[in-house]
Amino acid sequence: DQQVKQNSPSLSVQEGRISILNCDYTNSMFDYFLWYKKYPAEGPTFLISISSIKDKNEDGRFTVFLNKSAKHLSLHIVPSQPGDSAVYFCAASAHQGAQKLVFGQGTRLTINP
Amino acid sequence: SQTIHQWPATLVQPVGSPLSLECTVEGTSNPNLYWYRQAAGRGLQLLFYSVGIGQISSEVPQNLSASRPQDRQFILSSKKLLLSDSGFYLCAWSDTGVQPQHFGDGTRLSIL
Repeated sequence: DQQVKQNSPSLSVQEGRISILNCDYTNSMFDYFLWYKKYPAEGPTFLISISSIKDKNEDGRFTVFLNKSAKHLSLHIVPSQPGDSAVYFCAASAHQGAQKLVFGQGTRLTINP
Repeated sequence: SQTIHQWPATLVQPVGSPLSLECTVEGTSNPNLYWYRQAAGRGLQLLFYSVGIGQISSEVPQNLSASRPQDRQFILSSKKLLLSDSGFYLCAWSDTGVQPQHFGDGTRLSIL
């Protein structure tokens, strides 16, 4: 049972344009969500998070949107840069202090010059 | 600042051999510690987590075990490796009761 799903295994975007990565979840108990970025042969790096009391959180070029009714979140990167090429994972937990994170399968983002 | 060290980076082991992967964290006290596995084309699966010395929670039944002999040391072990144990193993830490988790650079384990 995949509780967190990233249905697009890959995404290709032109440099300077907006990248939109999507994530869906099924467990209504999830109320804290995170995005991680992973380069090859490295561990994931935390990017940005959002609590269910918000519907948007912004940090520089990165914005996460949360639609609780649709159980959907998205990560917007604008403008996209070549260094953004990586695999992006969304993750969810039942609350911010929970030990367990449930990860999606990841989306490979490629930024083309 | 806090750092996490995980070694080795790559490991090739024969089926039936034992395994020991080590992870240490510096710059923090009483962290939560985690072991994850990423199989090819899959997301990260939580294997074990620990909230303190000697306290281990197992998430999935498997051929692996974990131990936390010291506050900032987390070890993943197996007595006899299976082919299905191949994958990318990641150690992570977080402050007690707080996200996010911070990951090491992982160990690529290949079983022959």
